[in-house]
Amino acid sequence: DAKTTQPPSMDCAEGRAANLPCNHSTISGNEYVYWYRQIHSQGPQYIIHGLKNNETNEMASLIITEDRKSSTLILPHATLRDTAVYYCIVRVDRGSTLGRLYFGRGTQLTVWP
Amino acid sequence: NAGVTQTPKFRILKIGQSMTLQCAQDMNHNYMYWYRQDPGMGLKLIYYSVGAGITDKGEVPNGYNVSRSTTEDFPLRLELAAPSQTSVYFCASSYSIQAGGVRSKNIQYFGAGTRLSVL
Repeated sequence: DAKTTQPPSMDCAEGRAANLPCNHSTISGNEYVYWYRQIHSQGPQYIIHGLKNNETNEMASLIITEDRKSSTLILPHATLRDTAVYYCIVRVDRGSTLGRLYFGRGTQLTVWP
Repeated sequence: NAGVTQTPKFRILKIGQSMTLQCAQDMNHNYMYWYRQDPGMGLKLIYYSVGAGITDKGEVPNGYNVSRSTTEDFPLRLELAAPSQTSVYFCASSYSIQAGGVRSKNIQYFGAGTRLSVL
């Protein structure tokens, strides 16, 4: 699996956009980028995923660079409830080790009032 | 719709005791997983299952055992508890063949966790 690199911490003012970067320079052509978050003491929560096109859902947007070596998760209007650790994970979606996600330390996002 | 349910929420064990962490899902998911999370760290995969009767080791399986006799249940067994097993344990599930919408085996739904201390 491609390794990901994320900043250990970021902060953002409430109501502003939070842009969380992730580097995955060794990503291969069949690997997807997944984002999860973990609010303190809770189980992780799936946010969004994509292969090469930008994706948007009700929670966030995912921007993947054209060379696919990095991506950015965007929370368009951050709220205090978005304070969490955000994990960027790169995985294939086929094959014998399906669903084996590897969580690193992620980015601690703190949204302040 | 309960999702993934873990019991108990908290437990204190003495060294050498055994216990079973329960996990049940009601989403008809084929895949189920057990993770542990030590303080300040990311999650590490202990065991996973791709369906009833099929289990396999993850990154840190030593000291644990699992079984998957039904689609719904995936218990995790600690036979001889050690202080190194003090952690928060999360169960997760993913992927239903019958489900519609966005389907990816890597979209996992997590339980609330079991906080275990071994003293």
